[in-house]
Amino acid sequence: EVQLVESGGGLFQPGGSLRLSCAASGFSISNYWMHWVRQGPGKGLEWVSFSQSDGNSANHADSVKGRLTISRDNAKNTLYLQVDSLSPEDTAVYYCARGYRGMRAFDVWGQGTKVTVSS
Amino acid sequence: QSALTQPASVSGSPGQSITISCTGTSSDIGHFNYVSWYQQHPGKAPELIIYEVSNRPSGISNRFSGSKSDNTASLTISGLRAEDEADYYCSSYTYTATLFGGGTKLTVL
Repeated sequence: EVQLVESGGGLFQPGGSLRLSCAASGFSISNYWMHWVRQGPGKGLEWVSFSQSDGNSANHADSVKGRLTISRDNAKNTLYLQVDSLSPEDTAVYYCARGYRGMRAFDVWGQGTKVTVSS
Repeated sequence: QSALTQPASVSGSPGQSITISCTGTSSDIGHFNYVSWYQQHPGKAPELIIYEVSNRPSGISNRFSGSKSDNTASLTISGLRAEDEADYYCSSYTYTATLFGGGTKLTVL
């Protein structure tokens, strides 16, 4: 079964950092672009970052550029997202998603991990 | 880049058809045939229901259909059922990012 499972969410202090993980099973992430999408409480979906299949290229949404680092360990079949200089606006459910032909669509989603940034 | 524009809500009765619009620009929807639609039930992850404007993934009902004209994409759900009540999001590829719409809440009356 194709599956994505996120972890690493929780309560974080403003100004701090976090690292989320997304473990894939049933397919190899080395063959796919992988993405992070977040959803603030009561808000819509916001694409935040992608990592190309070989891990050598990535991009981030302008709203988070400079504070996010996306990485992957293809041997462990796991995607990561580090977010620095956290602010309450980063409070959201973070989903990892598999890219269909790169960025054309997201065809597999994880269940999400909830991040709350609050003092 | 700005988000795509969707109506905040639509409603319909069981058996009826509804259409949700998604308006972008000539730089996103109008330039690429890479519009996708997602269904999200409360507390659940989104699910892909339409990709590349009008294609359905395996297992998605043919009651869901998509189309595009100029800078506007549309999702039509025919034969509405109670289980179709959910939030629906459109998205469009651009060269460097993916844009989402703000979401449309579908209420089945």
